[in-house]
Amino acid sequence: EAQVTQNPRYLITVTGKKLTVTCSQNMNHEYMSWYRQDPGLGLRQIYYSMNVEVTDKGDVPEGYKVSRKEKRNFPLILESPSPNQTSLYFCASRSGTSGYNEQFFGPGTRLTVL
Amino acid sequence: DAKTTQPPSMDCAEGRAANLPCNHSTISGNEYVYWYRQIHSQGPQYIIHGLKNNETNEMASLIITEDRKSSTLILPHATLRDTAVYYCIVRGAGSNYKLTFGKGTLLTVNP
Repeated sequence: EAQVTQNPRYLITVTGKKLTVTCSQNMNHEYMSWYRQDPGLGLRQIYYSMNVEVTDKGDVPEGYKVSRKEKRNFPLILESPSPNQTSLYFCASRSGTSGYNEQFFGPGTRLTVL
Repeated sequence: DAKTTQPPSMDCAEGRAANLPCNHSTISGNEYVYWYRQIHSQGPQYIIHGLKNNETNEMASLIITEDRKSSTLILPHATLRDTAVYYCIVRGAGSNYKLTFGKGTLLTVNP
């Protein structure tokens, strides 16, 4: 089954404790992206990757890092989480061969930083 | 990418057609109209997209006006599982395939 998976689905942590949210897709997609969703602000893009070893900032990259060492994986790293990063996070992927293909989203990771 | 305007909420009776409108009066010639939906904090789900011709797939139909300034998503036989927030998004084929989600329309399908 074609899918985007994220782990963990739920995470409660404390300020300053480094964490990684994993994202993996099995569709051989070139493009992957991370969004966060907050009440009243909609989904906002954090980082994206056009292909392996190619990443770039989205609209709200501060406090986050990403890497793209393999085509299928695109982890989101919070090196020193703060309470304002409490949010619902979504990973997405799509084929990069055409400008108009649909994007596939993961199930989401609900992060709480205390 | 052009801005879109959608009603904040709509109701529909189960089994009836749900017609969700979207205004995008500043759309440019190479921009597509996309529809996604999000069911209660799950990941957004692609529904359909189109440029200027009407489109239909197994989930829905998309009707785009001739001047392309508005469109309507039609769910032909709404079910309770179609209760969700529906997002109308307009974008071109930029190098970053970012989707800009607005507030969307909360569609509630009632039994």
